[in-house]
Amino acid sequence: EAGVAQSPRYKIIEKRQSVAFWCNPISGHATLYWYQQILGQGPKLLIQFQNNGVVDDSQLPKDRFSAERLKGVDSTLKIQPAKLEDSAVYLCASSLAPGDAGANVLTFGAGSRLTVL
Amino acid sequence: KNQVEQSPQSLIILEGKNCTLQCNYTVSPFSNLRWYKQDTGRGPVSLTIMTFSENTKSNRRYTATLDADTKQSSLHITASQLSDSASYICVVSAKGGGNKLTFGTGTQLKVEL
Repeated sequence: EAGVAQSPRYKIIEKRQSVAFWCNPISGHATLYWYQQILGQGPKLLIQFQNNGVVDDSQLPKDRFSAERLKGVDSTLKIQPAKLEDSAVYLCASSLAPGDAGANVLTFGAGSRLTVL
Repeated sequence: KNQVEQSPQSLIILEGKNCTLQCNYTVSPFSNLRWYKQDTGRGPVSLTIMTFSENTKSNRRYTATLDADTKQSSLHITASQLSDSASYICVVSAKGGGNKLTFGTGTQLKVEL
């Protein structure tokens, strides 16, 4: 089975520029997550989708971050304008819908490493 | 506030030696606890899951324990290999809708010759 695909793997931008990350989850996974992982720390949830609806975006800095999952499959995460502290790995993960057997088994992508100069 | 704390923060051991990683949590109501392995430059991969009724579970050279009373878990790695070098992250799931997960900051393990 194909895993969670993310692109780009690496991105270097200057502060105040914009950047977008793309994620294609495992087929059939209704839940999609975006995490931010700063070096030396555990992943921090930015936003969680159930199909194309937002379940939790309480930790998403909405003044600069946005995410969408229009057709309930692929998702994009955008940062505009970027700040130095946004330098991190952005991990996308997917899982079955809550209530389904194995729903809390997250499959992660390899991540997109962002460096803001 | 739900929290997961891991220790040690980092660890260096010689190949072939055993090691134990610790995880303490204050997540409530508890649903399950999962250990993930994250290789450098990769996403986390699930190693094992512990539910409330399970005390010990083994997966090859990895053995996880759970004490739900003291809210502690450990991951024991036997006969370490160079490929075990990675970050090990403890993730605790709370009961209720939405699949709420709390991540620890991880233990960075390095296995040397």
